[in-house]
Amino acid sequence: EAQVTQNPRYLITVTGKKLTVTCSQNMNHEYMSWYRQDPGLGLRQIYYSMNVEVTDKGDVPEGYKVSRKEKRNFPLILESPSPNQTSLYFCASRRTGSYEQYFGPGTRLTVT
Amino acid sequence: DAKTTQPNSMESNEEEPVHLPCNHSTISGTDYIHWYRQLPSQGPEYVIHGLTSNVNNRMASLAIAEDRKSSTLILHRATLRDAAVYYCILRVYNAGGTSYGKLTFGQGTILTVHP
Repeated sequence: EAQVTQNPRYLITVTGKKLTVTCSQNMNHEYMSWYRQDPGLGLRQIYYSMNVEVTDKGDVPEGYKVSRKEKRNFPLILESPSPNQTSLYFCASRRTGSYEQYFGPGTRLTVT
Repeated sequence: DAKTTQPNSMESNEEEPVHLPCNHSTISGTDYIHWYRQLPSQGPEYVIHGLTSNVNNRMASLAIAEDRKSSTLILHRATLRDAAVYYCILRVYNAGGTSYGKLTFGQGTILTVHP
């Protein structure tokens, strides 16, 4: 089944404790991206990657890092999480030239 | 980026058609109209897209006004599973059909379907 998977689905952590949210897709898509969703603000793009080793900032990149060493994986790294990064995070992927973007199920992160 | 305007919420009864409107008066010639929906506790999912002509797929139909300043997503027979937030999004493609892929989500329309 074609899908985007994220792990973990739920995470509660404390301020300053480094964490990684993994994202993997099995569709051989070139393009991958991370969004965060907050009430009243909609979904905002954090980082995106056009292909392996090619990443760039989205609209709200501060406090996040990403890497794209393999085509299928696009982890989101929070080096020193803060409470304002409490949010619902979505990973997405798309084949270059396609109009349809596939989203993962989301990761709900709480930073205390 | 061109902006879209949608009603905050709409209601429908099961098995009735639903027409979800979207205004995009500042749309440019290279903007494609996309619709995504987000079911409760899930990530957004693609519904349909179009440029100028009306479009149909297995999920819905998209009716685009002749001046392209508005469009309507049509669910022909609403089911309880169609209850979701529906987002109307404009996305630019270059002449080669490439887009940078960012989808700018607004607040969307919350669709409630009554049994």
